Amino acid sequence: DAGVIQSPRHEVTEMGQEVTLRCKPISGHNSLFWYRQTMMRGLELLIYFNNNVPIDDSGMPEDRFSAKMPNASFSTLKIQPSEPRDSAVYFCASSLGFERFYGYTFGSGTRLTVV
Amino acid sequence: AQTVTQSQPEMSVQEAETVTLSCTYDTSESDYYLFWYKQPPSRQMILVIRQEAYKQQNATENRFSVNFQKAAKSFSLKISDSQLGDAAMYFCAYRGGGATNKLIFGTGTLLAVQP
Repeated sequence: DAGVIQSPRHEVTEMGQEVTLRCKPISGHNSLFWYRQTMMRGLELLIYFNNNVPIDDSGMPEDRFSAKMPNASFSTLKIQPSEPRDSAVYFCASSLGFERFYGYTFGSGTRLTVV
Repeated sequence: AQTVTQSQPEMSVQEAETVTLSCTYDTSESDYYLFWYKQPPSRQMILVIRQEAYKQQNATENRFSVNFQKAAKSFSLKISDSQLGDAAMYFCAYRGGGATNKLIFGTGTLLAVQP
């Protein structure tokens, strides 16, 4: 298995531009999570999906952020418009929802820089 | 709400020595799972070790072991025979056994290994 695949690995964009981060979970995993990591706030859960349905989006910072999971093998996190304070590493992770002992498998993350 | 606390922002250990990283958590649940993740400079999140709350026996994975004290809500990580490759940020994480499927992270401990 190739693991959780995120793209792009790095993204540099100008303030005000739309940014789309992509994630392909491990085949067979039915839970998908988006996290944001910053020095100030650590690892924050933004949103998670079970069986492609958003379950908890209470961590999404504001309306500029949106996430979709159109099918079991693909998810996107979109920021529109982007701001410098959105600069962070964004992780996608997946798991078997009912197999809680196994934790999550994380992707390599996308480092977003908004200038 | 569940919380995870790592009170040691930074730790240092000599190569081949043993180091213990602390983690405490707060929960009202009786069924849950605890994890330690390692994040090296590559930023990949790597699962190091995991523990089921209903198991009294402490988990061990090669040079990594935990001291799980359920009553004290403590979950420390011991690294024996430390190696240069162990240098990384270490995160303690909690996952509930109920309807909530979220992994809640502590703020991390940055471990340096001195040659």
